[in-house]
Amino acid sequence: EIVLTQSPGTLSLSPGERATLSCKTSQSLDSSYLAWYQQKPGRAPRLLIHGASTRASGIPDRFSGSGSATDFTLTISRLEPEDFAVYFCQHYGGSPLFTFGPGTKVDIK
Amino acid sequence: EVQLVEFGGGLVKPGGSLRLSCTGSGFTFSSYAINWVRQSPGKGLEWVSSISPSSSYIYYADSLVGRFTTSRDNSMNSVFLQMSSLRAEDTAVYYCAKRYCNSDRCYPYLDFWGQGTLVTVSS
Repeated sequence: EIVLTQSPGTLSLSPGERATLSCKTSQSLDSSYLAWYQQKPGRAPRLLIHGASTRASGIPDRFSGSGSATDFTLTISRLEPEDFAVYFCQHYGGSPLFTFGPGTKVDIK
Repeated sequence: EVQLVEFGGGLVKPGGSLRLSCTGSGFTFSSYAINWVRQSPGKGLEWVSSISPSSSYIYYADSLVGRFTTSRDNSMNSVFLQMSSLRAEDTAVYYCAKRYCNSDRCYPYLDFWGQGTLVTVSS
């Protein structure tokens, strides 16, 4: 089973700042199987990025994904007030079919 | 507008059973695999089950095999999660989420999620 590790656990930033979130995997992945989701309190997760770097429909271009093998990054270039949330990375494949990282909370400094 | 709505959550005693439903609208339901993902209070996301568009393939998390059963009725645009022998650790918000499939493949991400239904297992 592939294990996803996200860091930091919490990222405290101000609006307008850049956020860099890390997702490391226990085994090398095909990057097409790596996705990122955003979840706000009391809300369902929302797909942000798939294939490690492709923005989902309707996602602003301040969100970008990068990485390969075991190291993946979600970057929010300039934080907007609505971006303060929890972010999860996800891997597809094997057993279990979908594996999620523990999440990074981006909160207001 | 794309919608997925979960029904059927509630309070159930340990050892009891519950059936969740997920109904979709605003998209071609029969072209999507539907997944169940749960989230324990204050915790992360745990994949539970997946059912392919035609029900040909059904997968479960290893720890849930034998207790949870997933089915679907495309004529009703609905997927069902039958849960039995429930335990306190099954307490969670249960989300259904869709995954697009074409003739070649199903894509490896969940492109839309419902708002979830809370299942509480407690005496």
